[in-house]
Order: sequence, then C-alpha cells, then structure tokens
Amino acid sequence: QSVLTQPPSVSEAPRQRVSISCSGSSSNIAKNAVNWYQQLPGKAPRLLIYDDDLLSSEVSDRFSGSKSGTSASLAISGLQSEDEADYYCASWDDSLNAWVFGGGTKLTVL
Amino acid sequence: EVQLLESGGGLVQPGGSLRLSCAASGFTLSSYAMNWVRQAPGKGLEWVSGMSGSGGSTYYAVSVKGRFTISRDESKKTLYLQMTTLRAEDTAVYYCAKKGDDYIYGRLGFDYWGQGTLVTVSS
Repeated sequence: QSVLTQPPSVSEAPRQRVSISCSGSSSNIAKNAVNWYQQLPGKAPRLLIYDDDLLSSEVSDRFSGSKSGTSASLAISGLQSEDEADYYCASWDDSLNAWVFGGGTKLTVL
Repeated sequence: EVQLLESGGGLVQPGGSLRLSCAASGFTLSSYAMNWVRQAPGKGLEWVSGMSGSGGSTYYAVSVKGRFTISRDESKKTLYLQMTTLRAEDTAVYYCAKKGDDYIYGRLGFDYWGQGTLVTVSS
C-alpha cells in the first residue's frame, strides 16, 4: 500500500489528452513539492516534472503538472505511442522523513 | 555528462550482506544529495535511503532502517549502500539517483538515475 495513491492504469487514444491523479495527505503533498517520473519498459525512471509544475530539461511541453491541496495531477496532451510507460508521483513526507512514491500508473495509448 | 553506474548486485542468501556501489561522473558528489531507490520485480518504485550533499544528513525508509547504511567516498566518486540481514522482500533492482540540489528533501527531484543493479535474496 503506497502512501501516495495513483490509479493503476489509464488509457486514451492518440492525439488526445490524459490526466493522472496522485492523492496524498497533509504530511506530504500539501506541504511539499511533487515530482513526476516516467519509466519506459525496461528503463530507469526519468524526471518529467519537479516542484509541482516545472518541466524538467529536454521534456516535451506536452507534459504538465498541477497541484491543489493534498492532490496533484500530471497531464499529457497530444498523446503519442512513445508515451506508453509507467508514471510515478513522489513527494517528501514530513511524518516519515522519507520520500514517498505513488504506486504507479500504466498509460496505454490505444 | 552526468553518469551513474551501479554495481555489486547479485544472489545472496537470506540473512546475508551485500554492498552496492554507484560510480558517479560529470559532477561533484558533495554538491548534491544522493539516493537509493529500489523496484521489486513487477512492482513500483520505493525510496530506500538518501544522503545530503554535505554528508551530514542521512535518511532511511522504515523498511530498511537499522539494516542498510548509505555512505560515500568522494576520492573515489562513489556512493555505497551496505545492506545487511537481507530478506526475500529486499529482492529488487536498486537504482542510484542524484537529486537536483544538495538537500535530501525540497523542491527538486531526482534528475539523473543509473541503470540499476539487481539484488536477489533467495536460498
């Protein structure tokens, strides 16, 4: 059971927009920055979004992040087949004194 | 160019020990916080441990506290994870990850990752 909650899977058609949610609590997302990572099959994770809504270097502007209260979201517009991957949110947890990750969301581009 | 190269993984019996290494290049270890993140087969990411850039602060996940120790040798540009009293549930790919600044927590994320090294705990 992950501290941050993400949907296990989402799917959408090419060229459409999809959103992935990440739900946390007052000890993590509400107080600390949220980062988003993409993990392609068989690869190491890659930082997409940091500090809630800032795009990491060399990441397409089709990716965007937002946060409100104890929840955050990752949006991907203009979906492409290459976006098929697992996506993870992460935040520092002040109660655990640890980084916590969501359980991951598998994106399928139909 | 920033590069992180993990090594030291392998098969170990329950209760055994293993030391993972992460050779860093392209940046100064003491200027950035460094972390270990693991991923059990078919599962999600789990943060294991982190060390501040100054080396003065270290943190551990509850699941490994008291059994794992993070350290670094700046002269060798290498980060380590000493793992003892290993359990079957420690089986995972272990990634070394650099944070974007020298604080363990804060605004920035893990901007560079190694390719990982597989640790299998089994009899």
